[in-house]
Amino acid sequence: GAVVSQHPSWVICKSGTSVKIECRSLDFQATTMFWYRQFPKQSLMLMATSNEGSKATYEQGVEKDKFLINHASLTLSTLTVTSAHPEDSSFYICSARDRGGNYEQYFGPGTRLTVT
Amino acid sequence: GENVEQHPSTLSVQEGDSAVIKCTYSDSASNYFPWYKQELGKRPQLIIDIRSNVGEKKDQRIAVTLNKTAKHFSLHITETQPEDSAVYFCAATPYSGGGADGLTFGKGTHLIIQP
Repeated sequence: GAVVSQHPSWVICKSGTSVKIECRSLDFQATTMFWYRQFPKQSLMLMATSNEGSKATYEQGVEKDKFLINHASLTLSTLTVTSAHPEDSSFYICSARDRGGNYEQYFGPGTRLTVT
Repeated sequence: GENVEQHPSTLSVQEGDSAVIKCTYSDSASNYFPWYKQELGKRPQLIIDIRSNVGEKKDQRIAVTLNKTAKHFSLHITETQPEDSAVYFCAATPYSGGGADGLTFGKGTHLIIQP
């Protein structure tokens, strides 16, 4: 149980284009999902918190107009990187907390984004 | 906001010896402290966690201790094995269930088990 999937697992896009990443909780309902970014050989950094049915909350320094987050249902959150640039190349990982569960966050497998 | 410091950045131990990784946090409201193991290109894997209402938790070869007064917590791995080699991250959050409690991670420790 408590499986989180992400799609795609990797994507290559050209500078200036937009990319959408999906995060799904497969066997539980998640009122809250989190988006993290991890650059090579660095730690995970929280980008935003996504609550079902409401606007996402972004961490300081994260541009909300560049990283669009939609949490339209209890099992799906999406992150759209708009007008991507090479510096946006990173490993994007989502996590979800079970609506009826406890403190633990369940992580997706991550999406490797490369912007050329 | 929360700030988590983690040491050391690299730790090399002989197989069979113990390994200890230490973290400190700044936000006294933090009450949930998970530890993750991450292999290259993979998702973080929860190995143990502790809540602020206990001082120690153990699961086979892995243990975590928490000192709320000093705001630090530590991961202890005994009888290390080659498969323990990975990057380990500590994290902290002031969990409230209200949906505003993302994790703040330490910078990570690269644990190397020497055969």
